[in-house]
This record gives sequence, structure tokens and C-alpha cells, in this order.
Amino acid sequence: KQEVTQIPAALSVPEGENLVLNCSFTDSAIYNLQWFRQDPGKGLTSLLLIQSSQREQTSGRLNASLDKSSGRSTLYIAASQPGDSATYLCAVVDGQNFVFGPGTRLSVLP
Amino acid sequence: GAVVSQHPSRVICKSGTSVKIECRSLDFQATTMFWYRQFPKKSLMLMATSNEGSKATYEQGVEKDKFLINHASLTLSTLTVTSAHPEDSSFYICSAPDPHRAMNTEAFFGQGTRLTVV
Repeated sequence: KQEVTQIPAALSVPEGENLVLNCSFTDSAIYNLQWFRQDPGKGLTSLLLIQSSQREQTSGRLNASLDKSSGRSTLYIAASQPGDSATYLCAVVDGQNFVFGPGTRLSVLP
Repeated sequence: GAVVSQHPSRVICKSGTSVKIECRSLDFQATTMFWYRQFPKKSLMLMATSNEGSKATYEQGVEKDKFLINHASLTLSTLTVTSAHPEDSSFYICSAPDPHRAMNTEAFFGQGTRLTVV
């Protein structure tokens, strides 16, 4: 059974710092991995999708990498801003549905 | 792009009543939809897979009589929380893969429903 974990569970940083969020999954037979952002009480905002054949994707200040063989993905956020404060979820597509990690709660302090 | 619409976004109901949540695929037909539940400060957990034309498939530990799923058409799945209790209060979200897209492309999520049972 696929399991997804995320480290750290919570992170608090001053504005402007570069940071890395980690995601691990136990079964490397995935179709893709997706990073989401969730604001309190809100739905999911898709940030980056990495297909199984890809190694990384970039969007603005965000960069996500995927190493299927080791079952790891990282989300790199450059020059963090208070508006980046949210919970970041990674999820792998296992069959047709998603298996989510528990999330990393990020607070960026002004 | 393809959009999944979920309604309502927020609902408060009394204990013992039933609540229906709708999930619609707006510009594609979804033979399969997925329902997830998120407990406070926890991740999203798959509850069930909704299949058009057949019974839903429930994950282990999910009460099928409690959480009724009806995939009424190729664009609509509903989740009804029956005889709701405060412990059913949660965030529910649906997802639908576009069958015309490859499985390694983006799936689509509804906006989520915040259910509070008082």
C-alpha cells in the first residue's frame, strides 16, 4: 500500500529565506506527483505536476524535483514571502486516485 | 481547462439530519469520481470511488450506510452524509480524472465542502 510522508510537519521562517519541503513515497510505481497548496479552510491549489518521466518542474519561485527510484520529491521555494504561508501537500497518483502526504504547515514571518 | 465544481462550499446542519454534497464535472464526462475527507490538521484520505452505473467502492473503515454515494450521471456524483453527528464534521473534497487525458496528467479537484454538524 502506497504511503506518503512529508518532512518537516511544520516550518516557520523569516521572509526572504529559501526553503525546501520534502516528500517521500514508498512505492515508486507512480504515474505522477503533484504539489498542492491549501490555505486554512480552503480547497486545493495545484502548484506543480511532475510526470513520472520527468525529474523536475519549475513555476516562478517554485521548483519541484522527483527521484522515483528513491521515492522522493522536494519542493524548493525561493525568496519566501508572507503570502506563501499555507499548508503544502504532496500527492502521488497511484492508479487513478491520489495518495496524499500529511502536509507541511509553512509560516513565513514578515 | 477541465473544471470540477463542488457544492455547497460550506454547510452547517443539526445532528440527526442528512446533508448532500454535489460534485460536477463541467466540461467532461467523468465515469469515475473520488471522494476525500480531511480531518483537522490531517491529510486528505480517500473515502470512496464513485462509479457511474454501478455501486461505489468504499475504502476500509468507511461506513457505506453513513456516506451514501450516488453517481447519477456522467457529470454528477453526490455524497450524502446521513444522520449526521458532530464527529462527521470535516472537510470533504471530490476529484475527477478527465478520461480523455493520460493518467500522468493533472486531475481536477472540487473546491471542497466544509461540513459542521452542531
